Amino acid sequence: DVKVTQSSRYLVKRTGEKVFLECVQDMDHENMFWYRQDPGLGLRLIYFSYDVKMKEKGDIPEGYSVSREKKERFSLILESASTNQTSMYLCASSSPGREANNEQFFGPGTRLTVL
Amino acid sequence: AQSVTQPDIHITVSEGASLELRCNYSYGATPYLFWYVQSPGQGLQLLLKYFSGDTLVQGIKGFEAEFKRSQSSFNLRKPSVHWSDAAEYFCAVVGTYKYIFGTGTRLKVLA
Repeated sequence: DVKVTQSSRYLVKRTGEKVFLECVQDMDHENMFWYRQDPGLGLRLIYFSYDVKMKEKGDIPEGYSVSREKKERFSLILESASTNQTSMYLCASSSPGREANNEQFFGPGTRLTVL
Repeated sequence: AQSVTQPDIHITVSEGASLELRCNYSYGATPYLFWYVQSPGQGLQLLLKYFSGDTLVQGIKGFEAEFKRSQSSFNLRKPSVHWSDAAEYFCAVVGTYKYIFGTGTRLKVLA
């Protein structure tokens, strides 16, 4: 059974803290994605990666960075958390190839609250 | 610009009734289209997808969707809704190297 796991289901942080969200997939997928999900806005792409040590900005990269040191792991970093980054964060992965028509497999999400 | 519109934010149906969730897209070429479902507290799960060929696509859990190029639509249907179908549903179109998601439709099922 394919699996995308995220390190935390719920996280509470304070403004200004550095926050790490971890995502691991066991499907040997080359492509990995980070989205944030907000009511009424759907899913918005923050960053994605097609290979180890490779990253590309999505639609809303401001305030975020990512790290992909190993194929199975894709980390989202909030350098200095702010209250407007309170959201649900979803990680996804998809099979090899740059074609975006491959099915994306999603993790359960991390609900981050920044106080 | 590429976009996806789900005009219904909330839909309520009775258990056993039929269901149709609307999705309209804007895309220059032949689109790749998806429907995902998100149950409470869960990630997204693929229901079905359309790439080409037969415009009526069958998916999991008894869902189907019909691609209508003339209407730029890809509506999701189910003939008889079960209480376990209560969830949020997302339509997506594949843009250049990435998905573009609609804002979602939340389905409530009455017993």
